[in-house]
Amino acid sequence: AQTVTQSQPEMSVQEAETVTLSCTYDTSENNYYLFWYKQPPSRQMILVIRQEAYKQQNATENRFSVNFQKAAKSFSLKISDSQLGDTAMYFCAFMRASGTYKYIFGTGTRLKVLA
Amino acid sequence: DTGVSQDPRHKITKRGQNVTFRCDPISEHNRLYWYRQTLGQGPEFLTYFQNEAQLEKSRLLSDRFSAERPKGSFSTLEIQRTEQGDSAMYLCASSSLLAGGPWEQFFGPGTRLTVL
Repeated sequence: AQTVTQSQPEMSVQEAETVTLSCTYDTSENNYYLFWYKQPPSRQMILVIRQEAYKQQNATENRFSVNFQKAAKSFSLKISDSQLGDTAMYFCAFMRASGTYKYIFGTGTRLKVLA
Repeated sequence: DTGVSQDPRHKITKRGQNVTFRCDPISEHNRLYWYRQTLGQGPEFLTYFQNEAQLEKSRLLSDRFSAERPKGSFSTLEIQRTEQGDSAMYLCASSSLLAGGPWEQFFGPGTRLTVL
């Protein structure tokens, strides 16, 4: 069975600064995807970034980038130039690249961006 | 229509009552998922439909839970004889192999259930 662990329940960062959220996972699968989702206080989940396990290059989306370490089963999210709108719960998620394509989520990190 | 919709957004019920939630996925999406999110936790998978067929159910889905997706369009999730432990946010998501890929699920706003 796959598991996803987020060891930082809460974090805060000053506006315009950089913050890194941690995620580790456990799987015996070789083909899978990893994701970071954002859940603002309105609670609708929004995809932030996706990483395919077969790609060595780390994914980037504007101010968001990941550090994917496959051997270490680590998948951290870096948010640069933090904005007040980044305040939200952030969930790391795992998905097998076959079958149901269901997500397995971590417990989340609550990020607060301070003005 | 540009997203996944869920109805109702909030439901308060008394223990022992039955409740039903509805999810309308993005129209061209053939894959539909239900997740449950309790306070302070990440969403947990409940069940998955491909078109009208329910192909996977989690162990979390006890006999009191039933889900349907008639005609492969909207889906309903019913909870019978609700218990206080059923209080949670119930999230629906949809995706498509053809439109965007199966790896990206689009989530609805959720139905928050409170069982008194």
